Amino acid sequence: DTAVSQTPKYLVTQMGNDKSIKCEQNLGHDTMYWYKQDSKKFLKIMFSYNNKELIINETVPNRFSPKSPDKAHLNLHINSLELGDSAVYFCASSLTPYSNQPQHFGDGTRLSIL
Amino acid sequence: GENVEQHPSTLSVQEGDSAVIKCTYSDSASNYFPWYKQELGKGPQLIIDIRSNVGEKKDQRIAVTLNKTAKHFSLHITETQPEDSAVYFCAARLPNFGNEKLTFGTGTRLTIIP
Repeated sequence: DTAVSQTPKYLVTQMGNDKSIKCEQNLGHDTMYWYKQDSKKFLKIMFSYNNKELIINETVPNRFSPKSPDKAHLNLHINSLELGDSAVYFCASSLTPYSNQPQHFGDGTRLSIL
Repeated sequence: GENVEQHPSTLSVQEGDSAVIKCTYSDSASNYFPWYKQELGKGPQLIIDIRSNVGEKKDQRIAVTLNKTAKHFSLHITETQPEDSAVYFCAARLPNFGNEKLTFGTGTRLTIIP
């Protein structure tokens, strides 16, 4: 069984469109994250939610809006897509937001903007 | 904030030989240091981690060492096998009352030559 699952795996769309990526974890974790991995493989955190509440927002443009309907789900909606949004987006989860808790990653969503 | 540097960016090793990847971090308060392996088309997978109260940890062919004074930690893979080929990331976590985040290194592409 997949612990952290993201959909879709690939997303190709035109500049200016709005799109969403969904994430679900079945690990019973309280904390979920969104990361962006650029073309040089650099991984950077975007958001973190604990029990449906936002706890980290890394100065991401407000075109990006995460939503957590419950602690097992964290979705990412992106408005007015730009070329620079092309990247692989990873969802992750951990038991708690505190130190020493391993994070488990999904397999990513590759977003390509035409 | 934390800053993590990782070297080398690419590493080629003959099968059966050892591989070493090194990371340095900037904030002495960081207390958790995981290593992730990312295979093509997959998300990062935790392979080993170390906490700041431990100097070394080993799991079969993989070991991690931590030098808190020098603020660096290293991943050691012995008896390398073709399936060890992947991109490896180090990370450091700074305690921040539940708003903690992982800061990743820039990755090392490890290639095992058969």
